[in-house]
This record gives sequence, structure tokens and C-alpha cells, in this order.
Amino acid sequence: DTGVSQDPRHKITKRGQNVTFRCDPISEHNRLYWYRQTLGQGPEFLTYFQNEAQLEKSRLLSDRFSAERPKGSFSTLEIQRTEQGDSAMYLCASSLAGPETPDTQYFGPGTRLTVL
Amino acid sequence: DQQVKQNSPSLSVQEGRISILNCDYTNSMFDYFLWYKKYPAEGPTFLISISSIKDKNEDGRFTVFLNKSAKHLSLHIVPSQPGDSAVYFCAATWGLDNFGNEKLTFGTGTRLTIIP
Repeated sequence: DTGVSQDPRHKITKRGQNVTFRCDPISEHNRLYWYRQTLGQGPEFLTYFQNEAQLEKSRLLSDRFSAERPKGSFSTLEIQRTEQGDSAMYLCASSLAGPETPDTQYFGPGTRLTVL
Repeated sequence: DQQVKQNSPSLSVQEGRISILNCDYTNSMFDYFLWYKKYPAEGPTFLISISSIKDKNEDGRFTVFLNKSAKHLSLHIVPSQPGDSAVYFCAATWGLDNFGNEKLTFGTGTRLTIIP
């Protein structure tokens, strides 16, 4: 299967610890997005990359959050000094930006983070 | 500020009948709309999209209608099947006249249950 993959699928951590998630997009896709989804809500945009450049960050992305896409392929999302409010599903999506209609984003299965 | 609203948290429909899911938006800049379907423990799966230059788009059993003056769109599923039971998210973005799209703004979702 060549869809978007995310690792780990589940992460339980204690408050104050650092966590890192990985996303592998569909191989030819040049755009990669991170979203966060909490219970009863739709996914909320966090940040996105075109190739290795991070082009936009949401105000939801506090200083404790950092995302990278060093070689324009996989991406990592790190949360430092986790708080209980960080508990959520973290979703990654990728797309192939082109000159026609807005590109469709394809989502991975997500990483569920629980902060105790 | 909920720019994309799905006012029905849940909907139950008899198998074989039509399912109609509704979505309202407030941001006049939105010009591209998508529907995603989500099963438990999976990421959202793209279903169908529509741009603001159209008022209807069909793909098999799925049809999306857009009423720009009312800032309203709906997803029709005919006939409904048990496998359609899932949470459906409406999403919106803009950038029809630009190079691809960026972040998606999602509604809170509608849980559709198809009754056999």
C-alpha cells in the first residue's frame, strides 16, 4: 500500500515529556500537512510544507511544537514539554500541488497521543 | 469562530434510502469544498469535491450540491448502504485561481448510521 503512513499509531506519555511523530507521505506528493483532531471536532490545521519549505503555521502551533521536512520527503512533528491539552489525534496529509483545481489532500491513519 | 458548520451531529437512514448530509459556511472566500468520510481508528478518506463554479458534482452514488447564495452545501448518498456508516466531514478552502490549495477548514462532522 502506498498511502500516507504515520508512526507510531498510539503514544502515551507523561506530562512534561517530549514526543516525536513521523509521517511518510505518498511518494510523489510535494505538499505535506499536519492537522490535529480532538474529540467531537473536525481536524484543525497546524502547518504545511511544500517540498522542504514550511510555508504556513497555525496559531495553534505553540512554541512547544516544531515540524520538519528535511529532505522534502518524510516529516516529523515534535511536541516538547507535553501538556494534557495536547492529547489529540495528530493527522498527516499529503497532496500533489498542480496548476489545475486545488489539489486533494490524502490523510494517513493518524497518531493518537494521550498525555497523562 | 466556526467557519464551517455541520449542525446535525448524527443521522440514521434506512438501507436503500437517500442520505442527505448538510454543511453551511460563513467565509465568502471559500471556493472549493470537499467531503471526507472517516471510520473509527482511520484517517479521513476523500469522497467528492466541488468548486464554486459548479452547483452540482456526481460520482457514482455520491452527489454534492452547492448553493453559493445560501452558503450551503449538501452530500446525497443514493442508495445508502451499511458500509456508508461513518462520520462525514465537510471541508472548505480557497485558491481556485491560485496554484493548488493550502489548509482545509473542517466542520465538526455528522455520524451517519445506515440501518439494515
